Amino acid sequence: DQQVKQNSPSLSVQEGRISILNCDYTNSMFDYFLWYKKYPAEGPTFLISISSIKDKNEDGRFTVFLNKSAKHLSLHIVPSQPGDSAVYFCAGGTYKYIFGTGTRLKVLA
Amino acid sequence: DTAVSQTPKYLVTQMGNDKSIKCEQNLGHDTMYWYKQDSKKFLKIMFSYNNKELIINETVPNRFSPKSPDKAHLNLHINSLELGDSAVYFCASSQEGQGAFNSPLHFGNGTRLTVT
Repeated sequence: DQQVKQNSPSLSVQEGRISILNCDYTNSMFDYFLWYKKYPAEGPTFLISISSIKDKNEDGRFTVFLNKSAKHLSLHIVPSQPGDSAVYFCAGGTYKYIFGTGTRLKVLA
Repeated sequence: DTAVSQTPKYLVTQMGNDKSIKCEQNLGHDTMYWYKQDSKKFLKIMFSYNNKELIINETVPNRFSPKSPDKAHLNLHINSLELGDSAVYFCASSQEGQGAFNSPLHFGNGTRLTVT
């Protein structure tokens, strides 16, 4: 039972444009969400998080939006840079985090 | 000075063998975890320890046994390895348990286990 889904396995964006990565979840009890970035042969690196009591959290070029009624969150990266090319995982949970399967972002120079 | 380090990075072994993966964190965190990333890229929690005590134990075969000698170390021992155990295993730590606000996971670089 896949409680966190990232339906787009890959995404290509031009440098300088906005990248939007999407994530859907099924468990309405989830109260905390995170986004991670992963480069090949490395572990996931924490990017940004959001609590269920908020609908937006911003950190530099990264903004996470949460729509609880739709059980949907998204990560916006503006402007996108070639170094942002990586696999992005979203995760949600309460006492434990459930991860999605990731979206591979490729930022084209 | 790596925050969460795990060894070895690669592990190739035959079915039936017993192997261990070691993990250490120097972040002063109270909670450590083992995650498994399978061939379908699902990253699933296996175990969680808080101050050397087991707090999460997912449905994992009892061939897998975590050991936490102190709160900075969490090792994973696997007995009687099977082909299906082939995966990437990630160690992680967090200041508090999962679900606590502002307590994200910090991951190691993973151990790729291949069972032949």
